[in-house]
Amino acid sequence: DAKTTQPNSMESNEEEPVHLPCNHSTISGTDYIHWYRQLPSQGPEYVIHGLTSNVNNRMASLAIAEDRKSSTLILHRATLRDAAVYYCILRSRGGSEKLVFGKGTKLTVNP
Amino acid sequence: KAGVTQTPRYLIKTRGQQVTLSCSPISGHRSVSWYQQTPGQGLQFLFEYFSETQRNKGNFPGRFSGRQFSNSRSEMNVSTLELGDSALYLCASSLMRGDKKETQYFGPGTRLLVL
Repeated sequence: DAKTTQPNSMESNEEEPVHLPCNHSTISGTDYIHWYRQLPSQGPEYVIHGLTSNVNNRMASLAIAEDRKSSTLILHRATLRDAAVYYCILRSRGGSEKLVFGKGTKLTVNP
Repeated sequence: KAGVTQTPRYLIKTRGQQVTLSCSPISGHRSVSWYQQTPGQGLQFLFEYFSETQRNKGNFPGRFSGRQFSNSRSEMNVSTLELGDSALYLCASSLMRGDKKETQYFGPGTRLLVL
């Protein structure tokens, strides 16, 4: 499974945008980029995924670099409820069903 | 639609005992995966079941086993418990397998403490 690199922690203020980066320089052409987050004392939850184009949903936006070697998860207006560990995961076609979690980025949101 | 449910939510066992954890996937979901989460190792894949067959196994000793029933419910068993088995055990379900767009939905986990 291709590897991803994320900062260990980031901090934001409530109601401000947050940009969470992820590097995946060894990504292959058919790898999907998935983001999950884990709130305190809960299981991980799906946030968003993409292949090549930027994606938006009700939770967040995903901006994918043109060469696909990096991506950025964007929370448009952070709330206290967004404080969590965010994981960037690559899923390979033909690979196993398992999700390979790295250390993720711990996001702290200040009131 | 109800989410993934796991029982029990908390469990205390002693070394040498065995434990069985249960997972009920989202209705209609056929793939069930199990993960172990510890502060030191993070989230690690244990195994995946689909159509009552184990399709994938992570790098864990044979003391860790599982099964899936015809209604897609799954159980995992840990025999001869060790202190290091203390962890949060998470179950995730997805509708199908093989589609890398597919989302996995996680349950709240079972927190196991081995004394």
